[in-house]
Amino acid sequence: DSGVTQTPKHLITATGQRVTLRCSPRSGDLSVYWYQQSLDQGLQFLIQYYNGEERAKGNILERFSAQQFPDLHSELNLSSLELGDSALYFCASSAYSGQGAGEQFFGPGTRLTVL
Amino acid sequence: GENVEQHPSTLSVQEGDSAVIKCTYSDSASNYFPWYKQELGKRPQLIIDIRSNVGEKKDQRIAVTLNKTAKHFSLHITETQPEDSAVYFCAPFGSNYKLTFGKGTLLTVNP
Repeated sequence: DSGVTQTPKHLITATGQRVTLRCSPRSGDLSVYWYQQSLDQGLQFLIQYYNGEERAKGNILERFSAQQFPDLHSELNLSSLELGDSALYFCASSAYSGQGAGEQFFGPGTRLTVL
Repeated sequence: GENVEQHPSTLSVQEGDSAVIKCTYSDSASNYFPWYKQELGKRPQLIIDIRSNVGEKKDQRIAVTLNKTAKHFSLHITETQPEDSAVYFCAPFGSNYKLTFGKGTLLTVNP
């Protein structure tokens, strides 16, 4: 157990819908990262937040957004869902702010299926 | 952005043999080089990492070597065991302040 929690574990929804994935980082970690893992694209970095502020952005679609709340939990919002958004979404946390790097601890992931 | 290539994409070895996976990257400013292991249906977990001021690091049966001049680093697993079977990812940290994951190497250790 990494100490990072993610809910829900599974999510099945229809095209065009909107969903919210939730992540709680390890105690004391200020950075939260979101990744998308699919068979064809591998593990892709989406976005990083550090203590409530966006720190780094990857290949995140405009239909996707995220935020980190004062209690440090984070939410990833996916809207206007398409079949190709079906993937495993991981959240990770670390003690590093962004300009420095170190171990990232991954949560168990949320498997999103868009029908 | 950082271009990362990992080879081989699949590797099958006999139990007790050694396994080597190589990762090449493009960003010369990369300064942190981790390897993650992901078992089927599980989360990625860090198994070893190295920073740019070190050439080699060992942790029991696992080692990582770094060649900054050639821009590649490698994962070495000795005396492989069936529980080493997993997908391994390299993920150099570059000047874009993020980990860029390779496509992964599926390692199968045959008993």
